[in-house]
Amino acid sequence: DSGVTQTPKHLITATGQRVTLRCSPRSGDLSVYWYQQSLDQGLQFLIHYYNGEERAKGNILERFSAQQFPDLHSELNLSSLELGDSALYFCASSAGGWPFDEQFFGPGTRLTVL
Amino acid sequence: AQKITQTQPGMFVQEKEAVTLDCTYDTSDQSYGLFWYKQPSSGEMIFLIYQGSYDEQNATEGRYSLNFQKARKSANLVISASQLGDSAMYFCAMRGGSGTGNQFYFGTGTSLTVIP
Repeated sequence: DSGVTQTPKHLITATGQRVTLRCSPRSGDLSVYWYQQSLDQGLQFLIHYYNGEERAKGNILERFSAQQFPDLHSELNLSSLELGDSALYFCASSAGGWPFDEQFFGPGTRLTVL
Repeated sequence: AQKITQTQPGMFVQEKEAVTLDCTYDTSDQSYGLFWYKQPSSGEMIFLIYQGSYDEQNATEGRYSLNFQKARKSANLVISASQLGDSAMYFCAMRGGSGTGNQFYFGTGTSLTVIP
């Protein structure tokens, strides 16, 4: 158990819908990262927050948005869902550092878009 | 453009033998970090080892070592004395510097199977 919590574990929804994925970092960690893992795209870095501020942005679609709240939990919002958004979404937390930053991954949220 | 290349989709190794998983990278940043992660069939991602671009010594963590050849832009993972529990997907990753927005880039992974 990494100490990172992600909810829900599984999510099945329809195209065009909007969903919110939630991540609670390990106690004391200030950084939260979001990743998408799919069969065709592999593992893609989406976005990084540190203590409420966006620090780095990767291949995150405009239909996707994220934020980190004052209590340090984070949410990833996916809207206008398409079939290709079906993937495993990971959240990871860390103490924050650069370039070394040991990330602890949550178990992931499996999103299926029908 | 930043890129991580793992050319071995699948590898087999005999239990107790050593195995090397290849990783090459491409970056124009002077300062960057290289990571290896393990993903067992259960799905979780586990951090294994880290090498900084300015580190002169190869990183080691228990049975894991990172063979870092900066001029060749390679960061191969060496697993010594393989165990059945090492069977998993292994991902090489790079964290770029400010020139690339501090992003993480992942390779496509290598599936390692340890044979008893």
